Parts: sequence; structure tokens; C-alpha cells
Amino acid sequence: GNSVTQMEGPVTLSEEAFLTINCTYTATGYPSLFWYVQYPGEGLQLLLKATKADDKGSNKGFEATYRKETTSFHLEKGSVQVSDSAVYFCALYKRGGGNKLTFGTGTQLKVEL
Amino acid sequence: DVKVTQSSRYLVKRTGEKVFLECVQDMDHENMFWYRQDPGLGLRLIYFSYDVKMKEKGDIPEGYSVSREKKERFSLILESASTNQTSMYLCASSYPASGEIYGYTFGSGTRLTVV
Repeated sequence: GNSVTQMEGPVTLSEEAFLTINCTYTATGYPSLFWYVQYPGEGLQLLLKATKADDKGSNKGFEATYRKETTSFHLEKGSVQVSDSAVYFCALYKRGGGNKLTFGTGTQLKVEL
Repeated sequence: DVKVTQSSRYLVKRTGEKVFLECVQDMDHENMFWYRQDPGLGLRLIYFSYDVKMKEKGDIPEGYSVSREKKERFSLILESASTNQTSMYLCASSYPASGEIYGYTFGSGTRLTVV
């Protein structure tokens, strides 16, 4: 079946550091891929997405590239801020696989001054 | 601004109580979903619905039921609450065809504590 694997957290960085959160997936065909962010005490918000291979999703300085050859969708940001502290979820959507999102376990990011 | 609204942010219930979690969306979405979120386990799908009066089990339906009498409202029911159902519950919705393009819209969550 479909699955998403994310790197374990928490990830702790200093402000202005470079961020990478790894995400790999297992699915047949070409799923759509998403990153969601959950700020403390809130629900999930869509951060960025990519619907086909080699697409790059970007938003708020974050970006991720859909790599079919490595089945990956790693999240990156060049310079993190304290306000980026949150939990980040990678997810895939596969039409025909129940037409629903499959989530990774989430990665907590803590950014310190 | 489109919204998914969950009726309570925090709930405390006693073991054995029947608990209703309500979710309302104003986007005319056909699809609605209930997830629970637990540390280290991520989001797990409890139930989902593709239309009024339709429901399908997700990955962890045991101990839960749902009701969808109107398109905009999707209720999660804990028939007899137990302490292992203490969790964050998240509701989401989407159009059938747009899920693969836009993903889901989530509510703010209900943190349920069963004592």
C-alpha cells in the first residue's frame, strides 16, 4: 500500500540555519505530494505541493522537489526563523488508492535564537 | 475565507460517556474526513465520507462511528469513551477531484481528554 516516511524529530536549529526535512514515499504510479505545517495548538495548513515528477513546490521560503527516481520530496529552507517552529507533515495523494491523503508521522522543528 | 470549523478546541469527558465531535465546512465539499493525531504516530484516518449518508472506515475505526446527515456537517461519535481515545482529533474536507491537486482543508482540531 501507499506509505510516507519522514525523518525523526525533533530537529533543533539556530535561527538563519539551513533546513532539510527528509521525506520518501512508496506508491505505484505518480502520486501528488504535499507538505503540511502545524503550528502549536492549531490544525494543519497546506505549505506546498507538487503534482508531477520534477515539479518544485514553494511557499514562504520553503521548497521541495518531486523526485520520482528517488521517490523523495525533501523540504528545504535556506534560512529558518523562530516563527518556523512547528510540526511538518509530508503526505501523498494517490488517485484510486481510496482517493485520500496518506501522511508521514510528522517532524517537529524547533528554531532557537 | 473558506473554513472547516470544529465545535470545540478542548473537551474533557469521563470514561464510558458518549461523545460527539462536530465538524462543519462552508466550502460545499463532498469529501470529509476524521483523523486522530498522536505523538510518534502522525495522523491516522478514522472514517471518511464521500457524500451525505455515506461513510467508509479508515485505518482505525474501532470504537468510533460517524454521521453525515447534511453535506456540510460530519460528526464523529465515541460510543463509550475510553482513556486510550485521549487524543487530538482533526477534521478535513475536499472536493473529490481536487484532493490530488489541492489536498485537504483542515479544522483547528479538538483535543479530547478522557478521564
